[in-house]
Amino acid sequence: GIQVEQSPPDLILQEGANSTLRCNFSDSVNNLQWFHQNPWGQLINLFYIPSGTKQNGRLSATTVATERYSLLYISSSQTTDSGVYFCAVGRYSGGGADGLTFGKGTHLIIQP
Amino acid sequence: DAGVIQSPRHEVTEMGQEVTLRCKPISGHDYLFWYRQTMMRGLELLIYFNNNVPIDDSGMPEDRFSAKMPNASFSTLKIQPSEPRDSAVYFCASSSGTWAGKLFFGSGTQLSVL
Repeated sequence: GIQVEQSPPDLILQEGANSTLRCNFSDSVNNLQWFHQNPWGQLINLFYIPSGTKQNGRLSATTVATERYSLLYISSSQTTDSGVYFCAVGRYSGGGADGLTFGKGTHLIIQP
Repeated sequence: DAGVIQSPRHEVTEMGQEVTLRCKPISGHDYLFWYRQTMMRGLELLIYFNNNVPIDDSGMPEDRFSAKMPNASFSTLKIQPSEPRDSAVYFCASSSGTWAGKLFFGSGTQLSVL
């Protein structure tokens, strides 16, 4: 199956800082999504982004499918951004579809 | 929309007992996924359905695990008999219209098998 590697595994920042989280994947994909798991365990979908760039407030994401990576940018971090950020990828071919495979996540702590 | 609804939120049981986890997907969503999250293995896909039909169950760890989707608004994941190594958070998720649709997760069921 597809391998997904996220970096860095842990990140500690001060409130107001910017950050870039990276997701590398081992094969071509036609589905890529970013999720935030908050400290209460809830998984929130941030972006569906198999290619290109999207922005939502202080968050933006870019996927370069041909080079097999995606980046999640968080600007002006707030303490509520703390949690684990997951990248998940999947592939559909004529023979069927795989479910999304998740990376191990980046654990982000924003200190006040 | 109420989102994906899972029950129970927490389940504590003893080894050997049957456990049934329940999920109601978002209305109109035709894909339903069951995931398991542990510290050691992260988020793993167990099985997914399309239009109530199981499509890929290759992630189901053992025959002790089974999943059903009798209709578009309800799915169950059953473990019989349960073992301590089954302790994990089990998530249900759904998406709409296409396999590649945006995935929405329920709040999860925290299962502890003693």
